[in-house]
Amino acid sequence: DTGVSQNPRHKITKRGQNVTFRCDPISEHNRLYWYRQTLGQGPEFLTYFQNEAQLEKSRLLSDRFSAERPKGSFSTLEIQRTEQGDSAMYLCASSQGLAGAHTDTQYFGPGTRLTVL
Amino acid sequence: KNQVEQSPQSLIILEGKNCTLQCNYTVSPFSNLRWYKQDTGRGPVSLTIMTFSENTKSNGRYTATLDADTKQSSLHITASQLSDSASYICVVSPRNTGGFKTIFGAGTRLFVKA
Repeated sequence: DTGVSQNPRHKITKRGQNVTFRCDPISEHNRLYWYRQTLGQGPEFLTYFQNEAQLEKSRLLSDRFSAERPKGSFSTLEIQRTEQGDSAMYLCASSQGLAGAHTDTQYFGPGTRLTVL
Repeated sequence: KNQVEQSPQSLIILEGKNCTLQCNYTVSPFSNLRWYKQDTGRGPVSLTIMTFSENTKSNGRYTATLDADTKQSSLHITASQLSDSASYICVVSPRNTGGFKTIFGAGTRLFVKA
């Protein structure tokens, strides 16, 4: 399967614990995105990487959240001191990042469902 | 504030019937507008993508239209199938953000019944 993969698919944790999610993008894609989606809502943009550089962060991404893409390939999203409000689906997407293109299609992974008890 | 509003919130139709989903946006200027299909528990899958200069795009039984003057888009599904049951999400990318800082609508939940 050459699509975007995410691990784990489900994570249940207790409030106050740290969690880390991984995203493996489509291999030739240089852009990678993280989104958060709560029930009945569309995904909300969290952050974006162009290769290994984190170029944009949403105000939704509090100090407890950190994302990395150290070698420009896979990415991790860590949430420290989880809160119940962090319970959501965390989606990763990747795209080719064609320079100047207005139609850079994002391909989404299956998501990681986080439940904070 | 940049917003994307979708209607209806949910829709039930019989298999074989057509339907049209609406998307109104206030994002301006924008780079592109996309429609995604999201099955329950899965990530969204791109159906169509239109730049600000296009006004229609088809993908099989899915046809998206765009009216940049009224800031409206619609997704028309022809001859619906049970597998069309999903959420359909309208997504707008503001211009001057590299086209990547996307704003998602809340989606329309479509139920196709036999």
